[in-house]
Amino acid sequence: KAGVTQTPRYLIKTRGQQVTLSCSPISGHRSVSWYQQTPGQGLQFLFEYFSETQRNKGNFPGRFSGRQFSNSRSEMNVSTLELGDSALYLCASSLSSGYQPQHFGDGTRLSIL
Amino acid sequence: QKEVEQNSGPLSVPEGAIASLNCTYSDRGSQSFFWYRQYSGKSPELIMFIYSNGDKEDGRFTAQLNKASQYVSLLIRDSQPSDSATYLCAVNNGGDSGGSNYKLTFGKGTLLTVNP
Repeated sequence: KAGVTQTPRYLIKTRGQQVTLSCSPISGHRSVSWYQQTPGQGLQFLFEYFSETQRNKGNFPGRFSGRQFSNSRSEMNVSTLELGDSALYLCASSLSSGYQPQHFGDGTRLSIL
Repeated sequence: QKEVEQNSGPLSVPEGAIASLNCTYSDRGSQSFFWYRQYSGKSPELIMFIYSNGDKEDGRFTAQLNKASQYVSLLIRDSQPSDSATYLCAVNNGGDSGGSNYKLTFGKGTLLTVNP
């Protein structure tokens, strides 16, 4: 069974640009969550989607947005990039919600110049 | 602010010893608890999850949960150098009855070093 697939693996952008990251969950998983990981802040929750609906959102500015498609694939968009957005962005999927374990993809490492 | 606290370490143990990793959480409504292992430069890998009070064993790993004390721990027996990694504790609030507000909160992790 294929794991969670994130693309691209690496991205280099400049300030002010925007970026879209993609996540394909494990087959049959309907919940997709996104996290930002930095050395100083650790893993921080961005948002969670289930059946194309955002069910929860973390404390990030509106520049961070996402969506989920009918096949459960998800995208995350960051607009007007800032230097502080440099991080590892992780996607995790689970069967549904609540008690189910989440499984992570390899992440997208975003560097802002 | 609902938080998950872990000792940042580093925790250093000799090969073959038992490594004990601890985690406390503040949300009494938390329903499920997870331990992830993260090697440097890699993504987190799920190694254990526990829902009920008590112990859960899987090979060399034992997860322990005490909801009254809001405490969860991970024991690694016969530690190996390959166990050297950052261990992340994660707590799930389970969401509300409608399935919304579902969120996994992570601690900042404990760096474990197993010395040969």
